[in-house]
Amino acid sequence: NAGVTQTPKFQVLKTGQSMTLQCAQDMNHNSMYWYRQDPGMGLRLIYYSASEGTTDKGEVPNGYNVSRLNKREFSLRLESAAPSQTSVYFCASSAFEDSSYEQYFGPGTRLTVT
Amino acid sequence: QKEVEQDPGPLSVPEGAIVSLNCTYSNSAFQYFMWYRQYSRKGPELLMYTYSSGNKEDGRFTAQVDKSSKYISLFIRDSQPSDSATYLCATRWAGGTSYGKLTFGQGTILTVHP
Repeated sequence: NAGVTQTPKFQVLKTGQSMTLQCAQDMNHNSMYWYRQDPGMGLRLIYYSASEGTTDKGEVPNGYNVSRLNKREFSLRLESAAPSQTSVYFCASSAFEDSSYEQYFGPGTRLTVT
Repeated sequence: QKEVEQDPGPLSVPEGAIVSLNCTYSNSAFQYFMWYRQYSRKGPELLMYTYSSGNKEDGRFTAQVDKSSKYISLFIRDSQPSDSATYLCATRWAGGTSYGKLTFGQGTILTVHP
């Protein structure tokens, strides 16, 4: 039982390049989330998916797109990376949207945009 | 003004000390209050959550919510070096629309030295 897995662990991009961060969970959870964590800012929600087939914007969605591929997988895409998107990205899941207070987090992806 | 404010510290205490971590929030609609612990270069993990006001105890950890003053606290008794981590408070609405969204504080860095 791996919980929440994220790939890649590290990535360096040049400004304007695109990439997709992958997230998968094996806990049969319905809801999944993408956060970014910056020094002094805590965790900020980018997008979330309450259930398969639905997505909703969080606090900082600009510059990102998401896809809920199936119940297990939720990807985050940067179409044209900018230095302001340098951050640590965490994926999380919860059994249901109603139980979002109990989220399980992945190990994170450290992204640097130069 | 951020909806949830948390003193980032850092906080350094000797082993065995009682630690008090605090947050304030501005939205009176928040009903769920969580504390997550994050070890260095890892994803956050849920320590405990409370619903509405009151205290909740789990071993050496006690969470306290005072809704009249919009104040959230986490107390750690008999602190250990293994408690050294960043502690993040988070809040959420009780229900309605978009209740999957959590709002996090900035996190407090705690070091417990032997």
